[in-house]
Amino acid sequence: GQQVMQIPQYQHVQEGEDFTTYCNSSTTLSNIQWYKQRPGGHPVFLIQLVKSGEVKKQKRLTFQFGEAKKNSSLHITATQTTDVGTYFCAANFGNEKLTFGTGTRLTIIP
Amino acid sequence: DSGVTQTPKHLITATGQRVTLRCSPRSGDLSVYWYQQSLDQGLQFLIQYYNGEERAKGNILERFSAQQFPDLHSELNLSSLELGDSALYFCASSVVPDNTGELFFGEGSRLTVL
Repeated sequence: GQQVMQIPQYQHVQEGEDFTTYCNSSTTLSNIQWYKQRPGGHPVFLIQLVKSGEVKKQKRLTFQFGEAKKNSSLHITATQTTDVGTYFCAANFGNEKLTFGTGTRLTIIP
Repeated sequence: DSGVTQTPKHLITATGQRVTLRCSPRSGDLSVYWYQQSLDQGLQFLIQYYNGEERAKGNILERFSAQQFPDLHSELNLSSLELGDSALYFCASSVVPDNTGELFFGEGSRLTVL
């Protein structure tokens, strides 16, 4: 079946350090979305990437979509305690289903 | 507040029982999605409705069923419950039917099967 691999599963960083999570697919994607879920909360949409090689920034967050549209990354610069949560990618394979990655749980060490 | 309302927030029931989870989408959203999130797990897509019609089906068990009503609210029915059905069930809505737009998630219904 169509799956998207997300790594790492867990990441513990010191406050102020950078953080990156990656999503990889063996199949070309139509688009990819990123969501953040705070502990005890619900997923909240962050961004959608559609074009090959696309790069989008939101303050300290940088999102990239690979040239082949098979992988994506989310990079956070200088993490803060408010960044704590689980980050999910959600892949659209063009088949009417959005497939979520397993998520990367980010913990910040003050 | 995403604008998506889910009830109940918490539900505790016994194995073999049946429960109904309810979702009201954001005003104007025609698509409703149901996802299951088990403890420390990702989001498993169950089913999608668009304007009252089933649009896409994921890994939904035969014991589970859903529908979307004319007023666009949706219900997820879970029957013959098993311990493994304990999970957080999220409803999400969007304007478009084809996963090209943002999903707005409700706060979820936490189901515990004892």
